[in-house]
Amino acid sequence: GENVEQHPSTLSVQEGDSAVIKCTYSDSASNYFPWYKQELGKRPQLIIDIRSNVGEKKDQRIAVTLNKTAKHFSLHITETQPEDSAVYFCAANADNAGNMLTFGGGTRLMVKP
Amino acid sequence: ETGVTQTPRHLVMGMTNKKSLKCEQHLGHNAMYWYKQSAKKPLELMFVYSLEERVENNSVPSRFSPECPNSSHLFLHLHTLQPEDSALYLCASSQEAGGEQYFGPGTRLTVT
Repeated sequence: GENVEQHPSTLSVQEGDSAVIKCTYSDSASNYFPWYKQELGKRPQLIIDIRSNVGEKKDQRIAVTLNKTAKHFSLHITETQPEDSAVYFCAANADNAGNMLTFGGGTRLMVKP
Repeated sequence: ETGVTQTPRHLVMGMTNKKSLKCEQHLGHNAMYWYKQSAKKPLELMFVYSLEERVENNSVPSRFSPECPNSSHLFLHLHTLQPEDSALYLCASSQEAGGEQYFGPGTRLTVT
């Protein structure tokens, strides 16, 4: 089945700096890669996703890049703000498992004011 | 937020108790999911239902028993749980299986 690895597990940045979180996946048939943000005590919420027919997608300060050959994708947050502090999860679907999402282990991002 | 709701929000139960978690989605979605979120394994997929049929069972112990009476409701029946089952149980739904998922607020379960 699909295996998704996420790094780093914790990331601390100064407000205004950029943050990058990386994920690798194992199933070459995966074609959908969402990112979820989970603030403390709240539910995970989708912040951006990318499909395998594009290499990059941007939404204001957030961007995701996908390298299908290397089977990795990354989340980039620019001009970080304290409200970006949360746990971020990447995920990939698995074609041989009914298209279900497999999640990475999560990255705890802390933005210091 | 009323898209996906879960009750109860907190539950404390002994190892010999039987309880049920409830999830309801008001989004008209066809797929619903149960996840377990703990410190050791952040998001573990437990069960998936698509059009009220179970399509995924990730080697979950039989002390967890799902039920999907219709496309809007999902239950997780619990019996003879172990302390290591203490976790946040999240429900989610999507338009179709594998699509963008909307999560509920979760039930914080503590097994004593």
